Amino acid sequence: QKEVEQNSGPLSVPEGAIASLNCTYSDRGSQSFFWYRQYSGKSPELIMFIYSNGDKEDGRFTAQLNKASQYVSLLIRDSQPSDSATYLCAVMPPGAQGAQKLVFGQGTRLTINP
Amino acid sequence: NAGVTQTPKFQVLKTGQSMTLQCAQDMNHNSMYWYRQDPGMGLRLIYYSASEGTTDKGEVPNGYNVSRLNKREFSLRLESAAPSQTSVYFCASSEPPAGRTDTQYFGPGTRLTVL
Repeated sequence: QKEVEQNSGPLSVPEGAIASLNCTYSDRGSQSFFWYRQYSGKSPELIMFIYSNGDKEDGRFTAQLNKASQYVSLLIRDSQPSDSATYLCAVMPPGAQGAQKLVFGQGTRLTINP
Repeated sequence: NAGVTQTPKFQVLKTGQSMTLQCAQDMNHNSMYWYRQDPGMGLRLIYYSASEGTTDKGEVPNGYNVSRLNKREFSLRLESAAPSQTSVYFCASSEPPAGRTDTQYFGPGTRLTVL
């Protein structure tokens, strides 16, 4: 079992709708959770991080964390064509001292249709 | 302020050749990382350096070596390239001190093909 799992997609969502991206992780002691966005041919860039159970909102983006279910999600409201990208879930496992040893999922490719 | 830079952008090697990928950051970050990205596999950590003078293995270190030349520079060396090392390589750095919510900043990547 992969440590961090995502549905690779592609996920197709109409413009203006809510896009929901999901991620599960295997290590119950994982500390922090990150969502990176990667446009085709480009490098990843951080959208949000979350480390407490519940929701965290930043503009059109909401990250949700449920540690009991080992589940983290990203919601994108009012989806725009510019949101079309691959979204990478990353998890910081326990015991990572002095460096941020992230474990990434395989990414979900999201397409927003005008 | 260039952020994280990587050279070269593209490289084609023959099996058995060696090469060094260069990475530099100008953000005064302590921690630096090397990842590879293969289709359908996400990013996998090869090596990292928590601070100047230290390096440690990540998830997939076999076939690679690294050098943390100074605080700014972190290089990745392939001693004897193999086709399985065909990939896109990303260097990243994070703010000091590396903590649980630090942002990793990525370079533009190096596309390596081994024939």
